[in-house]
Amino acid sequence: DTEVTQTPKHLVMGMTNKKSLKCEQHMGHRAMYWYKQKAKKPPELMFVYSYEKLSINESVPSRFSPECPNSSLLNLHLHALQPEDSALYLCASSRTTGLKNIQYFGAGTRLSVL
Amino acid sequence: GESVGLHLPTLSVQEGDNSIINCAYSNSASDYFIWYKQESGKGPQFIIDIRSNMDKRQGQRVTVLLNKTVKHLSLQIAATQPGDSAVYFCAEISGSSNTGKLIFGQGTTLQVKP
Repeated sequence: DTEVTQTPKHLVMGMTNKKSLKCEQHMGHRAMYWYKQKAKKPPELMFVYSYEKLSINESVPSRFSPECPNSSLLNLHLHALQPEDSALYLCASSRTTGLKNIQYFGAGTRLSVL
Repeated sequence: GESVGLHLPTLSVQEGDNSIINCAYSNSASDYFIWYKQESGKGPQFIIDIRSNMDKRQGQRVTVLLNKTVKHLSLQIAATQPGDSAVYFCAEISGSSNTGKLIFGQGTTLQVKP
């Protein structure tokens, strides 16, 4: 089983709303990732968690707040987003962050900010 | 600097023909490369990987070739089928680090004509 589950699949929110994206994996992976993907572009790394600790923040604005409550779950809290934040948000996991650890992706949450 | 790129944004092939998708990279220290397939409405799906100490690796109907001299990577798909229609990304693990930082190329859209 190489499944990464993301909820919700679609989300529409206003610029004053607070919402959360959720990601879950049960593969025993200890590395989890958030990516942002705009239309017709490659995924761009946002955050990396390794053993439930934030190891990489790619200079992401503070209106995006990641959280890793345990080794199976990864959240992305959203607050005061801008219309340009509309995108597909992808979660991925891998056994560790070491070389030659395949990252497995979820189907993503398609976010629209109005 | 580090960058991973694909030569053509779109490739159109006849069903049953072989497909070749190309990718160039600039970091000569890159050690590990991955090909992902992303179908419409889905997250990237792992296809095949290769380490820099190899020139060729084969999977089911797919072959990845690595030419370190010219820093070029290619994905060959044999007997292309309609289900192969997708966007294909090459990706590189950043240098020799253990950060898990995956750098994607711009992607090639493969269209399979029946």
